[in-house]
Amino acid sequence: LAKTTQPISMDSYEGQEVNITCSHNNIATNDYITWYQQFPSQGPRFIIQGYKTKVTNEVASLFIPADRKSSTLSLPRVSLSDTAVYYCLVVAPNRDDKIIFGKGTRLHILP
Amino acid sequence: EPEVTQTPSHQVTQMGQEVILRCVPISNHLYFYWYRQILGQKVEFLVSFYNNEISEKSEIFDDQFSVERPDGSNFTLKIRSTKLEDSAMYFCASSDRATDHYNVLTFGAGSRLTVL
Repeated sequence: LAKTTQPISMDSYEGQEVNITCSHNNIATNDYITWYQQFPSQGPRFIIQGYKTKVTNEVASLFIPADRKSSTLSLPRVSLSDTAVYYCLVVAPNRDDKIIFGKGTRLHILP
Repeated sequence: EPEVTQTPSHQVTQMGQEVILRCVPISNHLYFYWYRQILGQKVEFLVSFYNNEISEKSEIFDDQFSVERPDGSNFTLKIRSTKLEDSAMYFCASSDRATDHYNVLTFGAGSRLTVL
């Protein structure tokens, strides 16, 4: 399983773009990069998944460089409600039965 | 949007008692998981389940824990004799391993277990 490293915490202000970078130096060829968001007292919620280059959905963008050893979750124009813990995971499609969460990045949005 | 449903939302029990936490995964999902999160700590993998058997388990999932899919809809986690350190939020998750997203888990709202 590829280990991931991300900042423990980040602060930002409402209206700003927030970029959270995750490193996964040992990512395998078939692995996908997946991000989850967790609010207090709730289960993690899937945000976005990608394999390479850029993926965008209604919530976020995910940038993955060519070497795939890192990825950046980009949250455009954050609001107070984006305060949460964000987890970066590397998963092997259709093989991973033990999906492990790291400590995540605690994002605190200030008014 | 389909949901994973967990009951009870909160259970208080005495040390040594048996507890059963229940989950109804999304109906067309085939892969099921239990995680726990001690207050202020990370989400910890307990067990995964597919085709009516455990596919992976962590070192936390010892003989005190068991899982079962008693019928076509429920997925349960049993703790045989609870300890104080079992106090945590327990999350059930399910996945269909669809080809558009790989191994994406949908989590329930959790069951908070308090052991006194």
